[in-house]
Amino acid sequence: RKEVEQDPGPFNVPEGATVAFNCTYSNSASQSFFWYRQDCRKEPKLLMSVYSSGNEDGRFTAQLNRASQYISLLIRDSKLSDSATYLCVVNTGRRALTFGSGTRLQVQP
Amino acid sequence: ETGVTQSPTHLIKTRGQQVTLRCSSQSGHNTVSWYQQALGQGPQFIFQYYREEENGRGNFPPRFSGLQFPNYSSELNVNALELDDSALYLCASSYIAGGSNEQFFGPGTRLTVL
Repeated sequence: RKEVEQDPGPFNVPEGATVAFNCTYSNSASQSFFWYRQDCRKEPKLLMSVYSSGNEDGRFTAQLNRASQYISLLIRDSKLSDSATYLCVVNTGRRALTFGSGTRLQVQP
Repeated sequence: ETGVTQSPTHLIKTRGQQVTLRCSSQSGHNTVSWYQQALGQGPQFIFQYYREEENGRGNFPPRFSGLQFPNYSSELNVNALELDDSALYLCASSYIAGGSNEQFFGPGTRLTVL
């Protein structure tokens, strides 16, 4: 079983739609959680950290459920520029980040 | 931009050769981590350097080695290249403090092994 599992997609949604991505992780000792965004053939960029209380940054909302070992990302009012691969990332305190394989989002005009 | 730079951007090598990739960390950061990203996969942790010493290693063989210099820049060396080493190699810069482990990536080096 992979340490971090994501639905690979692709998710094809129209502009303005709301889309949600989910991710599960296997190591209950994981301490910090992130969503990264990666454009085609580019490096991953930190989108947001994820906190137990949930957090929001503009159109993006992230939630963490430690009991279920589940992380989510909600994108409201999708823009064409949101098209990318979204990587779910956990850290167990060993300094290394463990990445999921990513969920591809394509926002259609 | 993160301020993390990597060189070269692209590299083509043949099986059995050796390669050195370079990374300059973001100003104020003291830690460099290296990741390998194969096509269609998430990045996989190779190792991390902190204060010029290896501070953790992923499931990669010893032919993957590294260095960190006093200015916190770093090198990744791969010996005896294999076809499966073809990938995007990413360097990530961070500052170890408390529980934070936000890492910021450079643009990567795309290595092709023929």
